[in-house]
Amino acid sequence: GAVVSQHPSRVICKSGTSVKIECRSLDFQATTMFWYRQFPKQSLMLMATSNEGSKATYEQGVEKDKFLINHASLTLSTLTVTSAHPEDSSFYICSVAGGSRTDTQYFGPGTRLTVL
Amino acid sequence: AQSVAQPEDQVNVAEGNPLTVKCTYSVSGNPYLFWYVQYPNRGLQFLLKYITGDNLVKGSYGFEAEFNKSQTSFHLKKPSALVSDSALYFCAVRAGTDSWGKLQFGAGTQVVVTP
Repeated sequence: GAVVSQHPSRVICKSGTSVKIECRSLDFQATTMFWYRQFPKQSLMLMATSNEGSKATYEQGVEKDKFLINHASLTLSTLTVTSAHPEDSSFYICSVAGGSRTDTQYFGPGTRLTVL
Repeated sequence: AQSVAQPEDQVNVAEGNPLTVKCTYSVSGNPYLFWYVQYPNRGLQFLLKYITGDNLVKGSYGFEAEFNKSQTSFHLKKPSALVSDSALYFCAVRAGTDSWGKLQFGAGTQVVVTP
């Protein structure tokens, strides 16, 4: 499979601050990246889909001004949670697809965000 | 619209016994079906997929799954479970015609393998 990293793995911030999460595809060029959030003991909820060089497509109910996604290159996508509040606390996971591995999404290890 | 059902919240099995995790799906057109496993506080690891071809798919760590079109099922199986197989398992489906490749996940099934 593909190797995907996320940074940071854990972040704790104060309410009102912004947090940036990076997702990197380490061993292939990811034309498409996905961002999910997962609440404890629940399934993954897709937040947005992004293609390199294009604006992200957000799922219904996801605030695009709050969750800024930038897919600047074929190996890097960032999710910025702006003006974070306690209800944004969650586990955020990215996945990548593309190239010869178009059919399968490969997931990063996740980022645990805690907003105080 | 596509959907996935994993009817069991939890499956308990003794080590060495066969393990089955159930999944049924609904999708327009030909389905692409996937199984992923998640360990605590980790991302999802890809286990196996069905796109086309042989209905019996073999994947990582001794897991396999059988695509059954008439029953719209894609159950995950392992002949002999290990304690290390204890984790959260997700079934996912996408429509073959979906150019974005968006996945619909099931609710997940917690597998507990006891020594």
